[in-house]
Amino acid sequence: EAGVAQSPRYKIIEKRQSVAFWCNPISGHATLYWYQQILGQGPKLLIQFQNNGVVDDSQLPKDRFSAERLKGVDSTLKIQPAKLEDSAVYLCASSFTSGRRDEQFFGPGTRLTVL
Amino acid sequence: GNSVTQMEGPVTLSEEAFLTINCTYTATGYPSLFWYVQYPGEGLQLLLKATKADDKGSNKGFEATYRKETTSFHLEKGSVQVSDSAVYFCALSDETGGFKTIFGAGTRLFVKA
Repeated sequence: EAGVAQSPRYKIIEKRQSVAFWCNPISGHATLYWYQQILGQGPKLLIQFQNNGVVDDSQLPKDRFSAERLKGVDSTLKIQPAKLEDSAVYLCASSFTSGRRDEQFFGPGTRLTVL
Repeated sequence: GNSVTQMEGPVTLSEEAFLTINCTYTATGYPSLFWYVQYPGEGLQLLLKATKADDKGSNKGFEATYRKETTSFHLEKGSVQVSDSAVYFCALSDETGGFKTIFGAGTRLFVKA
């Protein structure tokens, strides 16, 4: 089966610019996650969707970050305006459901550099 | 809140050496525990998991046992290969965290031929 797809793989922008990332989860997976992984740290959950509804966005900086999953399939994450500290790898993951036992399948990530 | 602490890297071993990567956790509920691996240039993938105390997860020669008494989930492999070079992440998920998965900082492993 096809894995989680993300694009672009790399992005370089200047601070105060905007950027958008796209994710297409594994077919049939109801739950979609966006993580931020800063160099040397583990992934940190930004937002979790169950179908097209938000389950958890408690760690999403809502003044600059937004995400949507309009048809319950693919998703976009946007940063506007970007700050230097947003430089990180943005990971998308999906799982069949959202239970505590469920394995998450990760995409290759988008590496963002903010200059 | 829930948290995961794993040993700092990098860990450098020779081929066929024994591997241990320590992981301890703090959780208010009854978490499931996971080890994910990230090979160079790839996304994270699940290596193994355990969902209750005393369970042993295993895959590709790696093992980890869920120890509730010591709140630990150490990763072990008896004989590492060069192809095991990667970053390893310990993680937990439980209902008191809304099933949010909390990851450790990761441990980079280098295996020399």
